[in-house]
Amino acid sequence: DIQMTQSPSTLSASVGDRVTITCRASQSISSWLAWYQQKPGKAPKLLIYKASSLESGVPSRFSGSGSGTEFTLTISSLQPDDFATYYCQQYNSYSLTFGGGTKVEIK
Amino acid sequence: QVTLKESGPVLVKPTETLTLTCTVSGFSLSNARMGVSWIRQPPGKALEWLAHIFSNDEKSYSTSLKSRLTISKDTSKSQVVLTMTNMDPVDTATYYCARTSTEETGGAYDYWGQGTLVTVSS
Repeated sequence: DIQMTQSPSTLSASVGDRVTITCRASQSISSWLAWYQQKPGKAPKLLIYKASSLESGVPSRFSGSGSGTEFTLTISSLQPDDFATYYCQQYNSYSLTFGGGTKVEIK
Repeated sequence: QVTLKESGPVLVKPTETLTLTCTVSGFSLSNARMGVSWIRQPPGKALEWLAHIFSNDEKSYSTSLKSRLTISKDTSKSQVVLTMTNMDPVDTATYYCARTSTEETGGAYDYWGQGTLVTVSS
């Protein structure tokens, strides 16, 4: 199975900060990577698919980049609604796998 | 409007078999570009993919849980069913079903159910 490693596991930031989360795959997954946002008690919400494509309705402050084994999710200017946990997920091959999550907390 | 809704028991005993149903609307399970997965999340922990069923009825399972899982679908009822045998307290989690759309996202999960919390305890 492909292992997905996210870093950091926790991130403390302030409103307006630029935030970057990294996801590494244990082998190449081309661009078959998605990013999700999850708030407590809620289902995950798709933000980015195919590594860099913004899901409809998602604010443009979210962006994704990378290919192969290294990927990043960037929030250009952190907003109060963005404090949540973020997960990457590879869908290059089944068995699908998620990263361990990055919790973005208020500094 | 696309929706998915999970249903099933909230409490199961150790060694019992769990059966969960995902009822979908707004799309057809026979649509060649659609598939449905089950994903779980233990309290305070990360998401874990369990199983997926494609429109052509092909199935895929988590390597670590394959021996305990069965996924199936009833297209006429718009339902996807997951069974997990020999439940253990470590299987306590919120179980989600989610849709993939190869046309829209290439296979990422664009719609999710609200999730159902299953507790395993005697």
